[in-house]
Amino acid sequence: EVQLLESGGGLVQPGGSLRLSCAASGLTFSNYAMSWVRQAPGKGLEWVSAITYNGGTTYYADSVKGRFTISRDNSKNTLYLQMNNLRVDDTAVYYCAKEEFSKTDSWGQGTLVTVSS
Amino acid sequence: DLQMTQSPSSLSASVGDRVTITCRTSQSMSTYLNWYQQKPGKAPKLLIYAASFLQSGVSSRFSGSGSGTDFTLTISSLQPEDFATYYCQQSYSTLMYTFGQGTKLEI
Repeated sequence: EVQLLESGGGLVQPGGSLRLSCAASGLTFSNYAMSWVRQAPGKGLEWVSAITYNGGTTYYADSVKGRFTISRDNSKNTLYLQMNNLRVDDTAVYYCAKEEFSKTDSWGQGTLVTVSS
Repeated sequence: DLQMTQSPSSLSASVGDRVTITCRTSQSMSTYLNWYQQKPGKAPKLLIYAASFLQSGVSSRFSGSGSGTDFTLTISSLQPEDFATYYCQQSYSTLMYTFGQGTKLEI
């Protein structure tokens, strides 16, 4: 069974930084593209960023481009999201997700990021 | 920019009802369209992929159809556990898989 476990969320002031991690198990991590999807309180799902299976290509939503960096360490079965210059509207639950054959078929339980002074 | 529009935004229904949710895209997605169910405090769950294929383990009450720019999710006979929020997702743009705004299905 695929398990994705996010960590690293918390309370941060505007302009601050956080690094989220997603530890993967139950799959050959290096075979799959991975994504981050977020959900602001009471709002819908927003795709944030994605990375190919080998880390060679990354993709970002316009709302985070230039501030967030996605990366992965296939030797540690771990996905990362470095978030810099955080804004109040980045407050959300951040989900790590596995991509396969044009569908997002496994999700973590999410980690809450709160940006507030 | 690609626009995805779900309708309705919310829907009241009863156990046993047949329900249809629509997703319209601003450009053709072929059949690169997926549907998810999300319950409060939980991660989304994949229901339908490639417009009409039922994800393994998902009840056959759920079905999807459509291609191009117009897609539908149908629940044939609502059960109590089906009350949730439903999202469409386009997977046409390589790994930039954006979502519709969601449809909240309530009793």
